[in-house]
Amino acid sequence: DTEVTQTPKHLVMGMTNKKSLKCEQHMGHRAMYWYKQKAKKPPELMFVYSYEKLSINESVPSRFSPECPNSSLLNLHLHALQPEDSALYLCASSQDAGGRAWTDTQYFGPGTRLTVL
Amino acid sequence: QKEVEQNSGPLSVPEGAIASLNCTYSDRGSQSFFWYRQYSGKSPELIMFIYSNGDKEDGRFTAQLNKASQYVSLLIRDSQPSDSATYLCAVNSPGANSKLTFGKGITLSVRP
Repeated sequence: DTEVTQTPKHLVMGMTNKKSLKCEQHMGHRAMYWYKQKAKKPPELMFVYSYEKLSINESVPSRFSPECPNSSLLNLHLHALQPEDSALYLCASSQDAGGRAWTDTQYFGPGTRLTVL
Repeated sequence: QKEVEQNSGPLSVPEGAIASLNCTYSDRGSQSFFWYRQYSGKSPELIMFIYSNGDKEDGRFTAQLNKASQYVSLLIRDSQPSDSATYLCAVNSPGANSKLTFGKGITLSVRP
């Protein structure tokens, strides 16, 4: 089973709203990722959590705030977003095989389509 | 700056033909290579991964890797209209965390 789930599927929010995106996996993976994807572009890495610790932040604006409550869950808290933040937000997970990380394979969830008005 | 380049596309092939998708990468330290398929409006789906030089076959799909030439390709035999999608090449490098560098993707259209 290589399933990563994300909720909600669609989200429309105003620039003053606060909302959260949720991601869950039950594959025992220890690395989880947030990506942003604009139309006709490849996914763009935002954050990486490894063993529940933030290990990579790709200089993402502070209006995006990630959280990893446990090894199966990943949240992305959104506040004061801009219309240009409208995109498909993808969660992914991988085994994070430590010393053999080069074999690590990422599996994506279905994504949350975010529209900021 | 690590780069992954894919043919600009789009690529159009007739049903039943072989589709050949190509990808080059700049970081000689790269060790693992992935092909993802993405249907319009959907998320990327892993098709193949390859770590060793040579060919790796899985059903109608064959991934080919040549580390000396820094080249990885995906062949799709007996192409079907359902193969019409964007194909993303992704490359990662050794490290404590897997960080994928994606190509821009190539859109494949299989004509019935």
